[in-house]
Amino acid sequence: DGGITQSPKYLFRKEGQNVTLSCEQNLNHDAMYWYRQDPGQGLRLIYYSQIVNDFQKGDIAEGYSVSREKKESFPLTVTSAQKNPTAFYLCASSLERGRGDTEAFFGQGTRLTVV
Amino acid sequence: GQQVMQIPQYQHVQEGEDFTTYCNSSTTLSNIQWYKQRPGGHPVFLIQLVKSGEVKKQKRLTFQFGEAKKNSSLHITATQTTDVGTYFCAGGPGGSYIPTFGRGTSLIVHP
Repeated sequence: DGGITQSPKYLFRKEGQNVTLSCEQNLNHDAMYWYRQDPGQGLRLIYYSQIVNDFQKGDIAEGYSVSREKKESFPLTVTSAQKNPTAFYLCASSLERGRGDTEAFFGQGTRLTVV
Repeated sequence: GQQVMQIPQYQHVQEGEDFTTYCNSSTTLSNIQWYKQRPGGHPVFLIQLVKSGEVKKQKRLTFQFGEAKKNSSLHITATQTTDVGTYFCAGGPGGSYIPTFGRGTSLIVHP
């Protein structure tokens, strides 16, 4: 089945530790995104990547880092510099066709709790 | 930067009543997309509107894109409990498209 997979679904970490969230897609999509969702805040863009080996900061990139070494993978690291990391993290991908036809497919999400 | 505002934030309805959520952008959009997120789930694409004044229907759902391509609405006729969830609009300028999401409208349907 084609799709986008995030793991793990739930993650607990101690304050001060870095943690990496996995995102893999087999849709052959060029673009991948990371969003953070907090109650009442909607989806806020953390980072996005439109091609391999290139990525751009979104609206709330501070305290996060990403890599895009393969087309299929776009892992997100939540560093200890992120002041309030507890949230629901969503990864998405879309097929960049350059015509605005860019339906986003979302993973199941990772709920990160930092204690 | 571009902002996409969505209202209302929450809407309680009795089953069978209609529901509408509105999306407004500070800039002209290339297109608008609508997503639904069930409680505990992830957003799922519903539809995309591209043309000025476009109207599309999916069973009880009607989507509109404004003439100026700065606003959009989603209307659900005769809500059912299966309609419960948060509805998001997402829009962006033309060219390199990075979807900007509204905060969503959470629909609560009382049986």
